[in-house]
Amino acid sequence: GAGVSQSPRYKVTKRGQDVALRCDPISGHVSLYWYRQALGQGPEFLTYFNYEAQQDKSGLPNDRFSAERPEGSISTLTIQRTEQRDSAMYRCASSLESNRANEQYFGPGTRLTVT
Amino acid sequence: DAKTTQPPSMDCAEGRAANLPCNHSTISGNEYVYWYRQIHSQGPQYIIHGLKNNETNEMASLIITEDRKSSTLILPHATLRDTAVYYCIGATGRRALTFGSGTRLQVQP
Repeated sequence: GAGVSQSPRYKVTKRGQDVALRCDPISGHVSLYWYRQALGQGPEFLTYFNYEAQQDKSGLPNDRFSAERPEGSISTLTIQRTEQRDSAMYRCASSLESNRANEQYFGPGTRLTVT
Repeated sequence: DAKTTQPPSMDCAEGRAANLPCNHSTISGNEYVYWYRQIHSQGPQYIIHGLKNNETNEMASLIITEDRKSSTLILPHATLRDTAVYYCIGATGRRALTFGSGTRLQVQP
């Protein structure tokens, strides 16, 4: 079946512009996670949802970052007034349930470059 | 999540078993040991997880010590395609994962 998909795969934007990154989780998966990964490092947690409810946003670096999952399926991570330090790979993952040992399935990521 | 410690890199000959160690001395009773790997620039891939007992699936085996302070991931017959960064993570099943630096496994022909 279809895995987690993300779009766009690559995004180049100028400093100060807003960007929206989309994640389409595996159908029926309850939990959806956003991570950010710098080159040569492991993924770093940003935020996660169970259904449409944002459960934890403690990993969002500042208030320029926000995420939503209004219908409990597709999620959008928005970065306002982008800065060069926001350049990274943004990864989305989903898991079937939130109350069991979570096997997370990761998407291919969106490579964001802020010039 | 429990802090885990892994060697930064390891080599393994193709066809031989790869044994990747992980220390997690502060793991709490309700935290599982998870292993994921990341091949080149792909997204992390789930391998296996366990709580107390040893586990085996089609990809690997997980050996957890009786005191749960350490574990070993075993790839029984490593291939070149197993070259990747392997992450050991201690976590409950209720929230996001905390990835460390992992072990970079290089399988040599």
